[in-house]
Amino acid sequence: DAGVIQSPRHEVTEMGQEVTLRCKPISGHDYLFWYRQTMMRGLELLIYFNNNVPIDDSGMPEDRFSAKMPNASFSTLKIQPSEPRDSAVYFCAWRHPPSGNTIYFGEGSWLTVV
Amino acid sequence: AQSVSQHNHHVILSEAASLELGCNYSYGGTVNLFWYVQYPGQHLQLLLKYFSGDPLVKGIKGFEAEFIKSKFSFNLRKPSVQWSDTAEYFCAVNAGDSSYKLIFGSGTRLLVRP
Repeated sequence: DAGVIQSPRHEVTEMGQEVTLRCKPISGHDYLFWYRQTMMRGLELLIYFNNNVPIDDSGMPEDRFSAKMPNASFSTLKIQPSEPRDSAVYFCAWRHPPSGNTIYFGEGSWLTVV
Repeated sequence: AQSVSQHNHHVILSEAASLELGCNYSYGGTVNLFWYVQYPGQHLQLLLKYFSGDPLVKGIKGFEAEFIKSKFSFNLRKPSVQWSDTAEYFCAVNAGDSSYKLIFGSGTRLLVRP
């Protein structure tokens, strides 16, 4: 798979704290996606960008969630304030045109809010 | 709206048994279809994909899938499973339009007993 860096890989935080998840995709991608995975709800698309522009954020659960892509090599997903029900694995994914329409996933950020 | 159904939530097999996991989607237009695998504690990895052409698609690790348009199905198969195939398997679809966003099924947990 094409590489990407997600950070932090694991985070435990207290309810009410701000959480920022980061994604650095491989260069040459055009679409970038943020997914959330939980036992109860499975894999949910939160938001996606095309060439750094947010296209569809209808999956963002609440106003507490926000995402940015200030440049082609970096994206953030912020939760403020965090709640225990936000505990999940958050995946960054991207389309790499030389690989066709395939979407590749990063290794995920495992978030626990206590 | 698009949706993906995976009817088998848990499957338990012995090594060398044959595997077939069901996947049905609802969308009337052109679709791209994918199977991803998630090993315990890891991210999603692409097993195989179908965009067009031969409806029988071969992927990595001996997996294959058959697209049957009339049945809106894309079932995953493997003739002989191994203990190392223990994982969760996700079917996904995108609408074949320019958004590339993936809609996932709820996943099937496969346990292969040695």
